[in-house]
Amino acid sequence: GQSLEQPSEVTAVEGAIVQINCTYQTSGFYGLSWYQQHDGGAPTFLSYNALDGLEETGRFSSFLSRSDSYGYLLLQELQMKDSASYFCAVNRDDKIIFGKGTRLHILP
Amino acid sequence: NAGVTQTPKFRILKIGQSMTLQCTQDMNHNYMYWYRQDPGMGLKLIYYSVGAGITDKGEVPNGYNVSRSTTEDFPLRLELAAPSQTSVYFCASSGQGLDYGYTFGSGTRLTVV
Repeated sequence: GQSLEQPSEVTAVEGAIVQINCTYQTSGFYGLSWYQQHDGGAPTFLSYNALDGLEETGRFSSFLSRSDSYGYLLLQELQMKDSASYFCAVNRDDKIIFGKGTRLHILP
Repeated sequence: NAGVTQTPKFRILKIGQSMTLQCTQDMNHNYMYWYRQDPGMGLKLIYYSVGAGITDKGEVPNGYNVSRSTTEDFPLRLELAAPSQTSVYFCASSGQGLDYGYTFGSGTRLTVV
């Protein structure tokens, strides 16, 4: 079987930094992806980690530790438009399996 | 480029009716997927295809069928709709491998009453 665990909700302040954690248990693991989804919208791809370490894309960074089956998404200089749900997802075989998502609330 | 196009955007079905959700992509992607998302939940994989003529079951295939006769199109068929199939359905595609991520369609909101 497979499972992904991430917090259901996180709250942070505009301009601050927030980290969303994800742990996973799966066979045939190739990498960890992160997606953003605004209310009423479709998920959009943010990042992918196949190897251990940190990947940076602008204000967003993603980290993976394969030995710990753990990853996180780091959002810096939070803006109100970052209010959304964030999904970690494991890439395995020819498909992606998604976690239940973390809803990020940003306070002004 | 239009990307991934899903139709219809909204639909209300009566219990026992059938319908086909359409998905087409113009990016020449080999990989296509159907997910459903229930309120406040993650996405569950229904079916996927790695190329024309090839389909495979995902996590929640019961009550659905798919076909992939062309690279562009990947329709999802609901037979004998049930209230449990009320959900938002997303089609997605991927071309160069999953490390480039999926491109999602805008979704179809289906209500079964």
